[in-house]
Amino acid sequence: QVQLVQSGAEVKKPGASVKVSCKTSGYTFINYDINWVRQATGQGLEWVGYMNPNTGDTGYAQKLQGRVTMTRSTSISTAYLELSSLRSEDTAIYYCASSGRYSNFDFWGQGTLLTVSS
Amino acid sequence: SYVLTQPPSVSVAPGQTARITCGGNNIGSQYVHWYQQKPGQAPVLVVYDDSDRPSGIPERFSGSKSGNTGTLTISRVEAGDEADYYCQVWDSDSDHVVFGAGTKLAVL
Repeated sequence: QVQLVQSGAEVKKPGASVKVSCKTSGYTFINYDINWVRQATGQGLEWVGYMNPNTGDTGYAQKLQGRVTMTRSTSISTAYLELSSLRSEDTAIYYCASSGRYSNFDFWGQGTLLTVSS
Repeated sequence: SYVLTQPPSVSVAPGQTARITCGGNNIGSQYVHWYQQKPGQAPVLVVYDDSDRPSGIPERFSGSKSGNTGTLTISRVEAGDEADYYCQVWDSDSDHVVFGAGTKLAVL
């Protein structure tokens, strides 16, 4: 069965960087995009960006441009989200989700809680 | 930027029908997808491409679209349907994913 398993919770100070992983299984990794979505406590879903694991092409939410980087390791079917210059408002649960291009998010990871606090 | 408008909350008695709307400019030219999220859990896809249902989702969940509004309909509502529901589209102009702000479904 399809599974997306994310790395554990992180606590970072403002200005630091964080790298979250999303290990996939149960399907061909390079055939589906990986998207990242975040959710602050009590708030709605916010799209962070996507990556095509086959080509490495990426697209990022405009408000995060310059601070977000998505990469992958095809040999271990794992996608990564790196966020730099962290601010308190980046505190949220970060989810990875698989999708077809321009399509719905059919499978989701369990989420990774990022806390940014001094 | 593209905006999807959902009602903050919808209330319905058990056994009745809940309808959750999602409005957006020119939404008719894009597929609308719907997610259910229960507290402490990741979202789950319940309707995709306006009106299709993933395997394992009860037939009580259906989707439709008319004009600038997509609608998620939940028939014979059960207590277990209480959750937040989000609509989502890919905005082709910006090549960005957009989510609605979410609707909290309360089962009275």
